Amino acid sequence: EADIYQTPRYLVIGTGKKITLECSQTMGHDKMYWYQQDPGMELHLIHYSYGVNSTEKGDLSSESTVSRIRTEHFPLTLESARPSHTSQYLCASSGQESGNTIYFGEGSWLTVV
Amino acid sequence: QKEVEQNSGPLSVPEGAIASLNCTYSDRGSQSFFWYRQYSGKSPELIMSIYSNGDKEDGRFTAQLNKASQYVSLLIRDSQPSDSATYLCAVKSSNYQLIWGAGTKLIIKP
Repeated sequence: EADIYQTPRYLVIGTGKKITLECSQTMGHDKMYWYQQDPGMELHLIHYSYGVNSTEKGDLSSESTVSRIRTEHFPLTLESARPSHTSQYLCASSGQESGNTIYFGEGSWLTVV
Repeated sequence: QKEVEQNSGPLSVPEGAIASLNCTYSDRGSQSFFWYRQYSGKSPELIMSIYSNGDKEDGRFTAQLNKASQYVSLLIRDSQPSDSATYLCAVKSSNYQLIWGAGTKLIIKP
């Protein structure tokens, strides 16, 4: 079982606000990911990191940004939230120790009003 | 053509029967294949991974891989209502990116 934690789990925020979704893992995994998923829809990779100080954009264009200053921490920031950002954001990690299998956190549900 | 394709369903199966979920992929160089289960409103959780041609069994679940035909399947024996979920196929491509299918919604009817 993976130890990957996301906060907040649920957030309702007004348009134009800045938000940061936190993600931490305690497994020492070198790779971390952010996915976006609308209810009943596909997973979309929006950011990933293969190690400290390494970040890349994923397949789906996103106005969010990420940072990877510590191995265990991979926060996602929206500078100015819009209703179109309303979605579920899933953080995940993988590492050689676990056969490079991806494990997910419980997700952060964001609603922008 | 999508890189990883799954029938979106819903696939309806009577309780106690075998549920068969299929996934095809386009990259012949793919080496690793995964099945995840996702309950509504929850995050995906790994069920099985498979790397070699043939079958891999874990309890009621069997993953089948055929690289020549580029498909991977998941069989669920003795289906239970608790198996009702969306099943996601994921394939690690030859450039080491994990490509996700859109998922198949499975409904087990009591």
